[in-house]
Amino acid sequence: QKEVEQNSGPLSVPEGAIASLNCTYSDRGSQSFFWYRQYSGKSPELIMSIYSNGDKEDGRFTAQLNKASQYVSLLIRDSQPSDSATYLCAVEASNTGKLIFGQGTTLQVKP
Amino acid sequence: DARVTQTPRHKVTEMGQEVTMRCQPILGHNTVFWYRQTMMQGLELLAYFRNRAPLDDSGMPKDRFSAEMPDATLATLKIQPSEPRDSAVYFCASGPPPTQETQYFGPGTRLLVL
Repeated sequence: QKEVEQNSGPLSVPEGAIASLNCTYSDRGSQSFFWYRQYSGKSPELIMSIYSNGDKEDGRFTAQLNKASQYVSLLIRDSQPSDSATYLCAVEASNTGKLIFGQGTTLQVKP
Repeated sequence: DARVTQTPRHKVTEMGQEVTMRCQPILGHNTVFWYRQTMMQGLELLAYFRNRAPLDDSGMPKDRFSAEMPDATLATLKIQPSEPRDSAVYFCASGPPPTQETQYFGPGTRLLVL
């Protein structure tokens, strides 16, 4: 079992819809969770961090964390074609400062 | 606009040659990470430093890879000798104290070993 799992996709949504990206992790001691966006040929860019159970909103993005279920998700409201990218879930390995990345989910937003 | 910088951005070399990649972390960041990204393996952590001290290099092939941080503004990753399977994009990332896990990535070095 991989430490951080994501559906590779592609996830295809129409413009204006809500895109839902999911991630599960195996380390119960993890306390810090991140979502990175990576455009093709570019480097990962941090878009959200979440540390507590519940929801965290930032503009059109909402991160959701459920530590009991070891599950973290990213919702993108009013999806735009410019949101088309690979989204990487990253989980801090317990008390190490190291991030374990999932393989990423490719999102396609169609006009 | 503070950014992580990496050089070179692209490198094509022949098998057996030495490759050196350089990274300048964001000023004030005390943690530096080296990653390798391939289609098959995704993003893998090779090594990381905190306050210039190596903390973990378990992801790195020890016989050919080495990572150093000679000063707070420079981190290096060397491959000697390089092999075709080393072809990948190598990213450097840095993180600020105290939340070192919040990492900011450089543009990457795209390495092709022929």
